[in-house]
Amino acid sequence: SQKIEQNSEALNIQEGKTATLTCNYTNYSPAYLQWYRQDPGRGPVFLLLIRENEKEKRKERLKVTFDTTLKQSLFHITASQPADSATYLCALDIQGDKLIFGTGTRLQVFP
Amino acid sequence: DAGVIQSPRHEVTEMGQEVTLRCKPISGHDYLFWYRQTMMRGLELLIYFNNNVPIDDSGMPEDRFSAKMPNASFSTLKIQPSEPRDSAVYFCASSKGAYKLYEQYFGPGTRLTVT
Repeated sequence: SQKIEQNSEALNIQEGKTATLTCNYTNYSPAYLQWYRQDPGRGPVFLLLIRENEKEKRKERLKVTFDTTLKQSLFHITASQPADSATYLCALDIQGDKLIFGTGTRLQVFP
Repeated sequence: DAGVIQSPRHEVTEMGQEVTLRCKPISGHDYLFWYRQTMMRGLELLIYFNNNVPIDDSGMPEDRFSAKMPNASFSTLKIQPSEPRDSAVYFCASSKGAYKLYEQYFGPGTRLTVT
């Protein structure tokens, strides 16, 4: 069965540093991968989408890489700020029909 | 736009009672998704609709769960009878167009507690 792994432990980093979150998957070949942000008590919010033929995607301070050989995506936040503190979810498509979400990694940026 | 609207935001009920969760998608969106989120299992897709028609309900855990979409602006998820293991946060999401899986817009969720 499809499996998506994200670091279950929280990631704590200092303001101004780069945060790197990992999403690994097995038994699957997604056409694209998405990253969402979720704040406590709220629904996930879409951040970025990267296709299988794209190696990297950027949006302001965010960068996503997608390595289909390693079956891994990395999500980077540069110059991190306390306001970036949240849980970040990766999601993969299943044959273009529906999304499977990872359980998320909680990021805490402290001043 | 007000975004995806869900009601109620919180629901506490006793085991065996019927629970109805409601969702209003973003106007113009033709796909609607119901998800359930728990600490143990994360965010799971229960069912999704396209143009008000249920497309895939393979994620619905049991016959106790049912969902309807009578029109483009309203959907319900019903649990009857409810059980303590149904306690979770239920999200509704919508998206637009052929690229239905792109950029799903989520509602604020309904936190369900079954005692």
